[in-house]
Amino acid sequence: EADIYQTPRYLVIGTGKKITLECSQTMGHDKMYWYQQDPGMELHLIHYSYGVNSTEKGDLSSESTVSRIRTEHFPLTLESARPSHTSQYLCASSGWTSGRAGVSYNEQFFGPGTRLTVL
Amino acid sequence: AQSVTQPDIHITVSEGASLELRCNYSYGATPYLFWYVQSPGQGLQLLLKYFSGDTLVQGIKGFEAEFKRSQSSFNLRKPSVHWSDAAEYFCAVGGLLSGGYNKLIFGAGTRLAVHP
Repeated sequence: EADIYQTPRYLVIGTGKKITLECSQTMGHDKMYWYQQDPGMELHLIHYSYGVNSTEKGDLSSESTVSRIRTEHFPLTLESARPSHTSQYLCASSGWTSGRAGVSYNEQFFGPGTRLTVL
Repeated sequence: AQSVTQPDIHITVSEGASLELRCNYSYGATPYLFWYVQSPGQGLQLLLKYFSGDTLVQGIKGFEAEFKRSQSSFNLRKPSVHWSDAAEYFCAVGGLLSGGYNKLIFGAGTRLAVHP
């Protein structure tokens, strides 16, 4: 079944540790995204990728980095976690959906999220 | 600048009552509009979307939304709420990333509580 997966779902870690949040999709999508969501707040785009070897920074500045070596895999890494990184991180991927006047629009599908707590 | 406002942070309704969640957007062109629902500990699930055509769109789980260009609004409605509808609801507008691909600009969300 086509889906988007994130691991771990919950992570509690100490300051200074290096962490990698995994995101994989079996949707066959080229485009993938990472959003950060603080409790009670809106989601903010922090990274996106058009395809293999493509990575771009989003609207919200983030100390995390991403890589896209395989189409289905888009991991996010924090080299040295800090309490300010405590948040929920949502991964999404998108494929083309028919929109207006023949223009296609890439509709996003979300994973279940990783809730990160840095002590 | 593109933005989405959800004026109600929390809403509580009784089971069986009707529901309307408000959403206002700011966007330079005719927008793509979305409503997502997020249950506790879960990711976002798309409820419905508006691209063009009929301004009243039907979604999953009995939800509908109406696009009103004159009011820059895209309010979500349900005629009879079920206890399982308790969740957080996000309105989003589709903006453009460089290269023509879309990004989503989210509102802050409305948390819905349902009383038995």
